[in-house]
Amino acid sequence: QVQLQESGPGLVKPSQTLSLTCTVSGGSVSSGNYYWSWIRQPAGKGLEWIGGIYTSGITNYNPSLKSRVTMSLDTSENQLYLELRSVTAAETAVYYCARKFVGGDYGFDYWGQGTLVTVSS
Amino acid sequence: DIQMTQSPSSLSASVGDRVTITCRASHYIITNLNWYRQKPGRAPELLIFAASSLQSGVPSRFSGGGSGTDFTLTISSLQPEDFATYYCHQAYSVPYTFGQGTKLEIK
Repeated sequence: QVQLQESGPGLVKPSQTLSLTCTVSGGSVSSGNYYWSWIRQPAGKGLEWIGGIYTSGITNYNPSLKSRVTMSLDTSENQLYLELRSVTAAETAVYYCARKFVGGDYGFDYWGQGTLVTVSS
Repeated sequence: DIQMTQSPSSLSASVGDRVTITCRASHYIITNLNWYRQKPGRAPELLIFAASSLQSGVPSRFSGGGSGTDFTLTISSLQPEDFATYYCHQAYSVPYTFGQGTKLEIK
């Protein structure tokens, strides 16, 4: 059974960098035809896709965030990373990592439980 | 970006009712449409993928339909655990986008 677990600071100051880790168990981040993503959700609001990364390391980012986002994989630790620079209070949200099969015919079938990140001084 | 519009935004119903939620895409997305249920304080869970395929382990009271730009999610007989928020999601092209959500409440 695949499990995903997000971790990282729960509080980040405005203009600083948000850094999160997603630890994957029960499967490998570097094998299989998978696409790993970060998705966020402000309290009481909808879901926003931040970006995704293939097992090859190729990335896609949401254009609305593209200049500030970096995603990467650490195959030795079986982890997925998110870095979001120059954050603002509006980016306070629950951040999820999630997995889907490559291709348009698939949805996100495994999700982490989510981690709340508050952006505040 | 492909915009996803769900209707209604909220819906009141009773246990045992049949309900349908619709999702419209701003561009053609074939059947690259997924549905999720999100209970309060929990991560979304995949119900339907590829517009009409039931995810493993999901009860058969959930069904999906549609293609192109118009899609539906139907729950044939509501159970207490179904009172939650539902999201559609297009996986046709990046950036992936979600509908704004439909909150299903107990009447």
